[in-house]
Amino acid sequence: EPEVTQTPSHQVTQMGQEVILRCVPISNHLYFYWYRQILGQKVEFLVSFYNNEISEKSEIFDDQFSVERPDGSNFTLKIRSTKLEDSAMYFCASRGASGKVEQFFGPGTRLTVL
Amino acid sequence: AQSVTQPDIHITVSEGASLELRCNYSYGATPYLFWYVQSPGQGLQLLLKYFSGDTLVQGIKGFEAEFKRSQSSFNLRKPSVHWSDAAEYFCAVKETSGSRLTFGEGTQLTVNP
Repeated sequence: EPEVTQTPSHQVTQMGQEVILRCVPISNHLYFYWYRQILGQKVEFLVSFYNNEISEKSEIFDDQFSVERPDGSNFTLKIRSTKLEDSAMYFCASRGASGKVEQFFGPGTRLTVL
Repeated sequence: AQSVTQPDIHITVSEGASLELRCNYSYGATPYLFWYVQSPGQGLQLLLKYFSGDTLVQGIKGFEAEFKRSQSSFNLRKPSVHWSDAAEYFCAVKETSGSRLTFGEGTQLTVNP
């Protein structure tokens, strides 16, 4: 069964450094998402992406964040200058055609900012 | 803004016992409703969903959920829990417009032998 994959599973970085989290969505899916979960808190929506542009973003998704689909398979989340409070589990999700509503999630990348 | 509440942070049941996990939502119309499960080290796996129609929906792994409009609830049930059901369970809603899922706080399920 096709699934969403994410790399790396765990990333440790120093405050102020840039990180790129990578996702490979399900191959025929058209809509892509990033969510995060700070330890002990809810899963929160960050951004959705369709047709090579951001379709919706939350108030969390400020200028420090960017997303890109650099090729036909990868979907990336970049944090330009990480802060301590960016430490969280980051989940990528994808969904199929516009008639489909279910989002399928990857296993997550745990980001630790020191 | 829509919100989701899962009142039970942690539930413990014995293997073979029945299970009900509560979920309440706040939204003006009927949203799309989901239950996801997260096992340790795993992503969020979709258990079931409700969009419209029959208010009792069946999902994977023997789970079901019932949508009750009058109570703004979408509780997850299983008649007989297995040890492998130990995990964290998340209720989520999506507005009929827009993309984002809004999640509840999650309920951690422990299953005793």
